Amino acid sequence: EDQVTQSPEALRLQEGESSSLNCSYTVSGLRGLFWYRQDPGKGPEFLFTLYSAGEEKEKERLKATLTKKESFLHITAPKPEDSATYLCAHNYGQNFVFGPGTRLSVLP
Amino acid sequence: DAGITQSPRHKVTETGTPVTLRCHQTENHRYMYWYRQDPGHGLRLIHYSYGVKDTDKGEVSDGYSVSRSKTEDFLLTLESATSSQTSVYFCAITGQGGTGELFFGEGSRLTVL
Repeated sequence: EDQVTQSPEALRLQEGESSSLNCSYTVSGLRGLFWYRQDPGKGPEFLFTLYSAGEEKEKERLKATLTKKESFLHITAPKPEDSATYLCAHNYGQNFVFGPGTRLSVLP
Repeated sequence: DAGITQSPRHKVTETGTPVTLRCHQTENHRYMYWYRQDPGHGLRLIHYSYGVKDTDKGEVSDGYSVSRSKTEDFLLTLESATSSQTSVYFCAITGQGGTGELFFGEGSRLTVL
């Protein structure tokens, strides 16, 4: 069964303290690995799509990378406004299988 | 922002009553999805549609039905709501043959007493 797991479940950082979130998947023949940001009471907001191992994408303080079995979301010098839940997902047929998310808190 | 509107945004109902959630898009996208989000489970697919009157089941479709009579509207119906269907429901759309990134609505919070 295709699964997506994320770690850690929750992460607290001080403002400026860089870290990484992990997304592991078991699907064979990955069609796309997606990262989303979700704020409380809102729908997920699309951040990145990665399609092949070695690919990297950046947006402001966020950088997503992809290997054959994992993806990382690196957060450099985070700010309190980066606090959110970060979800990863992959394509599975016409479905998108989501991980449970990492809840990130950035303290001032 | 993707033009996706969900209604109602909040609803409280009683066990056994029918409930319909509506998703309306202004993007003319072919693919539309209904997900539910519960603590510890993440987002799980209920049903999706790949065109007018073309729908298929997702992993948690029991107790739910859908209809799509127009490109812009995708309805999710709980024929007889149960407490296990208390959840936050998200509609999503994608335009790239169903394999591109999803764009989500704001969600509908349903409480079944």
